[in-house]
Amino acid sequence: AQSVTQLDSHVSVSEGTPVLLRCNYSSSYSPSLFWYVQHPNKGLQLLLKYTSAATLVKGINGFEAEFKKSETSFHLTKPSAHMSDAAEYFCVVSERNYGQNFVFGPGTRLSVLP
Amino acid sequence: DAGITQSPRHKVTETGTPVTLRCHQTENHRYMYWYRQDPGHGLRLIHYSYGVKDTDKGEVSDGYSVSRSKTEDFLLTLESATSSQTSVYFCAIRAGQGTDTQYFGPGTRLTVL
Repeated sequence: AQSVTQLDSHVSVSEGTPVLLRCNYSSSYSPSLFWYVQHPNKGLQLLLKYTSAATLVKGINGFEAEFKKSETSFHLTKPSAHMSDAAEYFCVVSERNYGQNFVFGPGTRLSVLP
Repeated sequence: DAGITQSPRHKVTETGTPVTLRCHQTENHRYMYWYRQDPGHGLRLIHYSYGVKDTDKGEVSDGYSVSRSKTEDFLLTLESATSSQTSVYFCAIRAGQGTDTQYFGPGTRLTVL
């Protein structure tokens, strides 16, 4: 069975500094991995996804994530935080052989300080 | 925008009353999902559907039922609402290259008093 751990429930950074949101996963098969962002009182928006092509995945708004199979990690990064990045971020794993099952991490709330 | 709408967007109801939430999609996707979102839990799957009249249970299905009589509509019913079902409910479809990406509706905030 799949599972997802988001190592930090809350991350706080200053505007203009790098962002690192950590995600570790467990999967018995070749996983697909996703990051979604949720702004306050909004729905979930897909940031990026990994589906066995390049291990470094670029997403929207300057975010990227690197799939590291040996470390079972899929950390989300951005070189320079913007105030508009303040939101909740969810890491999600799906096993491609059983693609009807998407498992969400508990989320990381990102605060961006001026 | 995957053409997903949810109705109602907000609802307040009383314990013991039945409640039905509707998810509507316009792009003929086969897979549809219902999740609930609660603080500290991320999103948890309630039920999903893989075609008309084809549904299955998710992680937190107790107290919920679903129906899908048309491709475009997926209904979630709380037969007798309880306060523990106060939550934000999201509908999703599965689409994209390889059809392994979910896209979400705007959510329904349900309060059970």
